[in-house]
Amino acid sequence: NAGVTQTPKFRVLKTGQSMTLLCAQDMNHEYMYWYRQDPGMGLRLIHYSVGEGTTAKGEVPDGYNVSRLKKQNFLLGLESAAPSQTSVYFCASSLSPRGATEAFFGQGTRLTVV
Amino acid sequence: SQQGEEDPQALSIQEGENATMNCSYKTSINNLQWYRQNSGRGLVHLILIRSNEREKHSGRLRVTLDTSKKSSSLLITASRAADTASYFCATSGAGSYQLTFGKGTKLSVIP
Repeated sequence: NAGVTQTPKFRVLKTGQSMTLLCAQDMNHEYMYWYRQDPGMGLRLIHYSVGEGTTAKGEVPDGYNVSRLKKQNFLLGLESAAPSQTSVYFCASSLSPRGATEAFFGQGTRLTVV
Repeated sequence: SQQGEEDPQALSIQEGENATMNCSYKTSINNLQWYRQNSGRGLVHLILIRSNEREKHSGRLRVTLDTSKKSSSLLITASRAADTASYFCATSGAGSYQLTFGKGTKLSVIP
């Protein structure tokens, strides 16, 4: 039982390049979330999903797109990376909505845009 | 904007002392959770308290919730060096599917 797995763990991009971050969970959770963590800012919600085929915007969605084609996977895409997107990205999943059950987190992806 | 705000931003104590962190939030919530993050790692769930609960215990952790003041506190008793980490509260507003986090309290426990 791996829990939540993020791929890759580290990445360096040049400004304007694109990439996709993959989040996979094996707990059959309906709800999945993408956060970014910057120094002094805590975790900010980028996008979330309430089930397969659904996505919704969080607090800081601009510059990102997401897809949830399969229940176990939640993809975060950067179409044209900018230095402001340098951050640590965390994926999380939970069984129930509205904070009713704990969220499980991946180990993070450290992205640097130069 | 972020729902929860932790206070203090940083806390340094001696091993064996108690550590208290506070979280204030802005709107009505369904539940409130506390998480821990060791440096460079993902967040780990500590405890969940529902809006109709006032206090909850788990080992050396004690969480209180005051919905009238829109605040919660996390108490870690008899702290250990291994408790050194950042602690975050997370809330989900009534009617919202979002799970939002505060900026965290960085706890340092000195051996």
